[in-house]
Amino acid sequence: AQSVSQHNHHVILSEAASLELGCNYSYGGTVNLFWYVQYPGQHLQLLLKYFSGDPLVKGIKGFEAEFIKSKFSFNLRKPSVQWSDTAEYFCAVTRRSGNTGKLIFGQGTTLQVKP
Amino acid sequence: EAQVTQNPRYLITVTGKKLTVTCSQNMNHEYMSWYRQDPGLGLRQIYYSMNVEVTDKGDVPEGYKVSRKEKRNFPLILESPSPNQTSLYFCASRQTGNSGNTIYFGEGSWLTVV
Repeated sequence: AQSVSQHNHHVILSEAASLELGCNYSYGGTVNLFWYVQYPGQHLQLLLKYFSGDPLVKGIKGFEAEFIKSKFSFNLRKPSVQWSDTAEYFCAVTRRSGNTGKLIFGQGTTLQVKP
Repeated sequence: EAQVTQNPRYLITVTGKKLTVTCSQNMNHEYMSWYRQDPGLGLRQIYYSMNVEVTDKGDVPEGYKVSRKEKRNFPLILESPSPNQTSLYFCASRQTGNSGNTIYFGEGSWLTVV
């Protein structure tokens, strides 16, 4: 069965530190990949997505992610975090074939940025 | 403005008392879905609908029902809520035709069953 695994459940960083959140998925076929962010008390917002082409994807708020097909990974990065990046981050996958649009989510990573 | 609207946003109810969480989208999307979010488990799909009168189970459908009589609405029904259905619920919608089309989420409905 398709699954998504996020390695870090809770990350604490100081402002200006660099961020990398790991995400691996298990599915042998072609996938679309997403990172969503959920700020405290708010709904999910799309940070970035990968469908095809350049495996390095840039999103909003200075985030980027790199798709490494051989490693089934889609890690999220940001060179310098801010206090306002404190949130929960979800990696998600949909299968390219078929059209159910079902998003498989990882367990989520809570990021706490200390001012 | 593109929106997915859920109501109620917050609800405390008692075991066994039927409740409905409404979801409405204004983007003419065919596909709609319900997720529940629980700590350490991420979001899990409850039910989805590919179009009017077409619904199917997701990963955790037990204890829930849905209906899709109109394109814009996709209510989630808990016929006899139990405490294990205490969770944060999200409705989502997207355009079909491309599996990569952006999914839009509602703001979430916090449900507590006591």
